[in-house]
Amino acid sequence: DAKTTQPPSMDCAEGRAANLPCNHSTISGNEYVYWYRQIHSQGPQYIIHGLKNNETNEMASLIITEDRKSSTLILPHATLRDTAVYYCIDLFGNEKLTFGTGTRLTIIP
Amino acid sequence: GAVVSQHPSRVICKSGTSVKIECRSLDFQATTMFWYRQFPKQSLMLMATSNEGSKATYEQGVEKDKFLINHASLTLSTLTVTSAHPEDSSFYICSARGGTGLYFGPGTRLTVT
Repeated sequence: DAKTTQPPSMDCAEGRAANLPCNHSTISGNEYVYWYRQIHSQGPQYIIHGLKNNETNEMASLIITEDRKSSTLILPHATLRDTAVYYCIDLFGNEKLTFGTGTRLTIIP
Repeated sequence: GAVVSQHPSRVICKSGTSVKIECRSLDFQATTMFWYRQFPKQSLMLMATSNEGSKATYEQGVEKDKFLINHASLTLSTLTVTSAHPEDSSFYICSARGGTGLYFGPGTRLTVT
């Protein structure tokens, strides 16, 4: 079963920052926080991952709290193409990756 | 970035026939591949873990004799749905582990009539 919890849905205005929260209440010290998204009828797309420090790449920023019990994925300037289901996952090494229900993000024009 | 392909992207078959879906890692070697199934408006459900050169490990409730998995090389895993029934109609997605990353294929939509 998935170990993370996310709100089922969120809306965000186009051009604004989208902030997607995730709770990692059972995360262990060696598990990374991964974020993926799935656009309708496509395979999941990797976004970003981190262990303790905040991370940024060309797609998004990842903020991880000091106790690692929660994280926030930030899409700085959301576009209509960012409408998707976003999944946060705790993962270590060669563990199998199991998905929760994710957050359905809708970007509003 | 790493690329994973699936073939076919869509397939329609008649009830009782078998269908093979291929998953390939195009620019990296994958010792482990995973197969998922996704029904409409639901999340991805892990079906099995496929390791190169050994038998697949199936999740609870997944029939290993119905969903045959073969990981014959470091770049290819196949999923065969045997004696397909309409309830097997679904979106099948594979993923491949390369280095520290896990990369997903585009999915195969299977429709059984």
